[in-house]
Order: sequence, then structure tokens, then C-alpha cells
Amino acid sequence: EPEVTQTPSHQVTQMGQEVILRCVPISNHLYFYWYRQILGQKVEFLVSFYNNEISEKSEIFDDQFSVERPDGSNFTLKIRSTKLEDSAMYFCASSDSRGGSEKLFFGSGTQLSVL
Amino acid sequence: AQKVTQAQTEISVVEKEDVTLDCVYETRDTTYYLFWYKQPPSGELVFLIRRNSFDEQNEISGRYSWNFQKSTSSFNFTITASQVVDSAVYFCALRKFYGQNFVFGPGTRLSVLP
Repeated sequence: EPEVTQTPSHQVTQMGQEVILRCVPISNHLYFYWYRQILGQKVEFLVSFYNNEISEKSEIFDDQFSVERPDGSNFTLKIRSTKLEDSAMYFCASSDSRGGSEKLFFGSGTQLSVL
Repeated sequence: AQKVTQAQTEISVVEKEDVTLDCVYETRDTTYYLFWYKQPPSGELVFLIRRNSFDEQNEISGRYSWNFQKSTSSFNFTITASQVVDSAVYFCALRKFYGQNFVFGPGTRLSVLP
């Protein structure tokens, strides 16, 4: 079964540094998402992306965050100046259409640790 | 506002026992979708089931069954004859009918002991 791939699986960075988390969605999917899960807490929506622009974002997704689809396969999440509270598991997801019924296919996540 | 509550933080059962994971949701929408996802120790989120709000028929898939009760805003998940491989965190989630963003519950950590 096709899958969403995320790299790296674990990223350690110093506070204030920029990080880029990378994702390769399923190839024929058009809708892309980032979610995060702070340790022991629930999974939270960050942003959805379609047709090279953000279609929806949460309050968490402030000016420090940005997303990009730099080529036909990758989908990236950039955190400009990391804070300690950005430490979390970040999940990329994709779906082949929009709308509430569509299930999301999630990657295995990138564990971000900000020191 | 939408909200999903999973009151059971952790459950431990012995293999072959049946276990029910509770999910209660809040929404003002009349149409919406409910999902269950499984997060095994490896970390990925695995889709289990989707249910739309106008279909209250319960569903069974092997050892898994789901009981959707719109009147009580609940979407409970039962594992029959649990196995050690069922050990995982299980998330219930709610999504607007035309929405993109999932609202996840806090998850229930299920430990199935041999």
C-alpha cells in the first residue's frame, strides 16, 4: 500500500534555529496536511495545503511556521526560529480529495526536540 | 466549536478479554464525520474506520466493532478477544462535513497483557 514518508524520523535542534521537516505524500494525492502531537497529548491540526497554497490553518500555525511544496513530490514544514514548546511529533498527511469523508494517510512522524 | 472527549486515559486488559474504548463528541453541525485512528508503538497513525453522521448503522470488522449513537453523541469502539498486537493509543476524531481539519480526542492508551 502506498505510504506517506517523512524525514528525518528524529530532529534535534537548538532553540532559535530554523528547521525544515520533510514529507513525501502519496503520489496521486492533492491535499496535504501537517499535524503535531506534543508528548502525551492529543494530535493537533496545523495546516492544510492545496494547489500550492494554504487552504486552512490553526491558531498554532503562526508566522514562525511556513509550508511549501518545492517540487512535485516534497511537502515541507519550516519553523523559522524554534522554541522549546515546538518540541513535538510532527505528522504529515495527505488525501486524494477534500471534504469531510476523506480519510487522511499519515506518515510515521518526525520527532522534533528543541533544546 | 467541536470537541472530542476520550475519558479513558489508559486501559489494561489481559489477552482475550473484550474492551470498549469510549468516545464522546460535541459539534453544532448536523452532518459530520467520525473516525478512529490507531497509533501503535512505531508512531504512525493508522486509519481504522470512518462513519458519517447520517448513518447510525453499527459496523463490525473482524474483532473490531463500532457503536455510533447520535442521540448521546458517542462513537464507541470495541475490540473483541483482544490481542497483544492491539496495544496502542487509539484516537477518536471528528471532521466537519466539508472540513479539512480533524479534531482529535486525547487518545486512550490500550495495553493488552499476555
